Amino acid sequence: DSGVTQTPKHLITATGQRVTLRCSPRSGDLSVYWYQQSLDQGLQFLIQYYNGEERAKGNILERFSAQQFPDLHSELNLSSLELGDSALYFCASTPQAQGGYEQYFGPGTRLTVT
Amino acid sequence: QQQVKQSPQSLIVQKGGIPIINCAYENTAFDYFPWYQQFPGKGPALLIAIRPDVSEKKEGRFTISFNKSAKQFSLHIMDSQPGDSATYFCAASGSEETSGSRLTFGEGTQLTVNP
Repeated sequence: DSGVTQTPKHLITATGQRVTLRCSPRSGDLSVYWYQQSLDQGLQFLIQYYNGEERAKGNILERFSAQQFPDLHSELNLSSLELGDSALYFCASTPQAQGGYEQYFGPGTRLTVT
Repeated sequence: QQQVKQSPQSLIVQKGGIPIINCAYENTAFDYFPWYQQFPGKGPALLIAIRPDVSEKKEGRFTISFNKSAKQFSLHIMDSQPGDSATYFCAASGSEETSGSRLTFGEGTQLTVNP
């Protein structure tokens, strides 16, 4: 158990819908990263937040957005869902903002868009 | 320049064998190289990590070898067990502001250890 929690574990929704994925980092960690894992793209970085502020952006679609709240939990919002958005979504956390430190991953949310 | 190339895609060994997974990177700003193990339906779990100031790091049955001049690093699993059957990912990140702190992952290697 990494100490990172994610909800829900599974999510099935229809195209065009909007969903929210939730992540709680390890106790004391200020930085949250979101990654997408799909069969064709592998593990891809989406976005990072540090202490409530957006820190870095990766290959995140404009239909996707995220935020980190004062209690440090983070939410990833996916809207106008397409079939290709079906994937595993992971969050990871670290104590610091910069790289070079261990990132601990949550169990993931499996999103299925039908 | 952000890519990390991993090979082989899949690997089958007998129990007790020493599977070796290789990764190569391009971005010289990378200075942190972790390996993750992932079981089906689970999140990636950090196994071991190395920084470029050392050429080898060992933790239990897992060893990372690092070749800075070749920009390559590899994972060796000693005395492999059927329970080691999983997908292994190498990754890299930089600590400097300009290179970003995100992890760039290799494509993954599906390891099967036969009893």
